[in-house]
Amino acid sequence: ILNVEQSPQSLHVQEGDSTNFTCSFPSSNFYALHWYRWETAKSPEALFVMTLNGDEKKKGRISATLNTKEGYSYLYIKGSQPEDSATYLCAFNSGGGADGLTFGKGTHLIIQP
Amino acid sequence: SQTIHQWPATLVQPVGSPLSLECTVEGTSNPNLYWYRQAAGRGLQLLFYSVGIGQISSEVPQNLSASRPQDRQFILSSKKLLLSDSGFYLCAWTQGRGQVEKLFFGSGTQLSVL
Repeated sequence: ILNVEQSPQSLHVQEGDSTNFTCSFPSSNFYALHWYRWETAKSPEALFVMTLNGDEKKKGRISATLNTKEGYSYLYIKGSQPEDSATYLCAFNSGGGADGLTFGKGTHLIIQP
Repeated sequence: SQTIHQWPATLVQPVGSPLSLECTVEGTSNPNLYWYRQAAGRGLQLLFYSVGIGQISSEVPQNLSASRPQDRQFILSSKKLLLSDSGFYLCAWTQGRGQVEKLFFGSGTQLSVL
């Protein structure tokens, strides 16, 4: 059983502040690392799929980095807004197809106005 | 554009009753289809996936079954629900072209077995 850990479990951030959280995964048999955002009453939505060590991806105020040798990825949110409130899931892919994805439990982010 | 529909949104069922959750994808052909479950305090767990009509792979032994009677239809079933089947069920799809692909999720079904 692959271990994908996300920390913290939940996070309260003041509107306008920047924040980051972590996804840890096995450093062997790496194929890809996914980040999803899951807003309440909506479907999880893909943010990034990262495959190369040292990868850095950006989408608006959200960015992610990847270190496959030590087995971690950081998700950063700059200047948090209320619409950033969501659960952020990471998923480690060891096998190529989406059937090889192991999800973490998520980080629940609440942005306080 | 592609869309995925999943229903019902919520379901309350007694223990021992049957279950049928349905998922359909529009705007694409021959997608890979997936059923995930999120139980309380756990990450999303893959239950079944399908690469084509009639082709079902199961990831965990369980009380549930899946079927794919049509290219874009994926059904999750049980003959007799258990309390432990309660959870949030998500259907998802990918194009399945052998590349690293992101999942596209449906809106989910909250199942409560009482």
